[in-house]
Order: sequence, then C-alpha cells, then structure tokens
Amino acid sequence: ETGVTQTPRHLVMGMTNKKSLKCEQHLGHNAMYWYKQSAKKPLELMFVYSLEERVENNSVPSRFSPECPNSSHLFLHLHTLQPEDSALYLCASRMSLDTGELFFGEGSRLTVL
Amino acid sequence: GQNIDQPTEMTATEGAIVQINCTYQTSGFNGLFWYQQHAGEAPTFLSYNVLDGLEEKGRFSSFLSRSKGYSYLLLKELQMKDSASYLCAVVDSNYQLIWGAGTKLIIKP
Repeated sequence: ETGVTQTPRHLVMGMTNKKSLKCEQHLGHNAMYWYKQSAKKPLELMFVYSLEERVENNSVPSRFSPECPNSSHLFLHLHTLQPEDSALYLCASRMSLDTGELFFGEGSRLTVL
Repeated sequence: GQNIDQPTEMTATEGAIVQINCTYQTSGFNGLFWYQQHAGEAPTFLSYNVLDGLEEKGRFSSFLSRSKGYSYLLLKELQMKDSASYLCAVVDSNYQLIWGAGTKLIIKP
C-alpha cells in the first residue's frame, strides 16, 4: 500500500471507445504525475500537475486528456486510442515538484484492440 | 540529449551479492533515485543519493559519483523475493526525473 490508488487495474477497449483512468492519493502531496510504461522502455512522463495546475505536457497526443479536479485526484480520459497505446499507465504523487520521492500507484494495464 | 544507461538483465544466485550499475548524462543533476518494481506491482522507493559516496540501508546500498556520472545499487545476501526490476532515475536541472529502462534481476536458487 503506497497511498496512491489507481482504478481500474485492467482495461480492454476498442479504438472507438471512451474510457477514463482514475488516481487518488491519500498522502497530502501537491504534485501528481501520469507515466506510460512499456516493456523494456524507460518510464515516459505524460503529464504533471502541481496544486491542480498542469505544469508539463510532454507532446502527448490529444487522444489522452488529463483532468485534476483537486490535489487528491487525477484522471486520464482516453478516446479513439491506437493499439500502440497499449501499456501500463502509472500514476504517482510527490510532496512537491522538487521535493521527496515519487509514490506510485499499482498502475492500470490498458489493452487497445 | 539526456540519457540513462543500465543493463537490461542480470542473473545472480540466492545468498550472493549483485551490483547494478547506472550511468547518466543529463542537463544538470539534483539527485539520483533507485526504485524496485516487482512484476505487476508499483515501483517502490529504495534510495536517494545527492552527494558522492555510499548510502547503506540494510541489505541494500547505493553509491554515487557525480564526477563520473555513475551510480550503483548493491544488493547483499540475495533472497528470491529480490527478483524484480530495478529502476534508476536522475533528477535534472528542472527537477524532472529522467528514467533508465530498468534492470531485470533474476535470482536463482
């Protein structure tokens, strides 16, 4: 138990579906992150939020849309995905953008058919 | 560009010692993290080094040489549960974490 909870743990969707990934942290942290993890590749930073404001968007396709309604919750909205988007999506939180280690959720395993 | 290199896979024997290396070239340096990730689980924090030298934490130790752009994670008295991937990440001048691809460690009885 890391204090960061992600749902769903597994998701299978077609290319025309719309779905959302949810992340919740109970650590009182101010920064939250979405990462994509593919086999044998480094973690790819997708989005960073600090105090509910987006501070980083690493050239992520618009079919991925983040939302941070408050400092404890982070969503990743998915629509018209491609098979190459199949991966493990990890949420993480940190005390602030420049302090402390990252605490990760268990991830959402996404398969796009 | 920024780059983190670590071996893709290593094999070691239960009870032995293994050293996992990480070399980096980044724009600035504000610390280096090691994480452990078991298959299907979240990465979990192992260590953080910002100054040169060795940090010891039980069976695990982490070393840093900033002048050489080099770190290693040393695991002693290996146990089967140490089979996992080990991720190296450097904090750059913008406080972004730059990640290596991870080292899969296989422990054999």
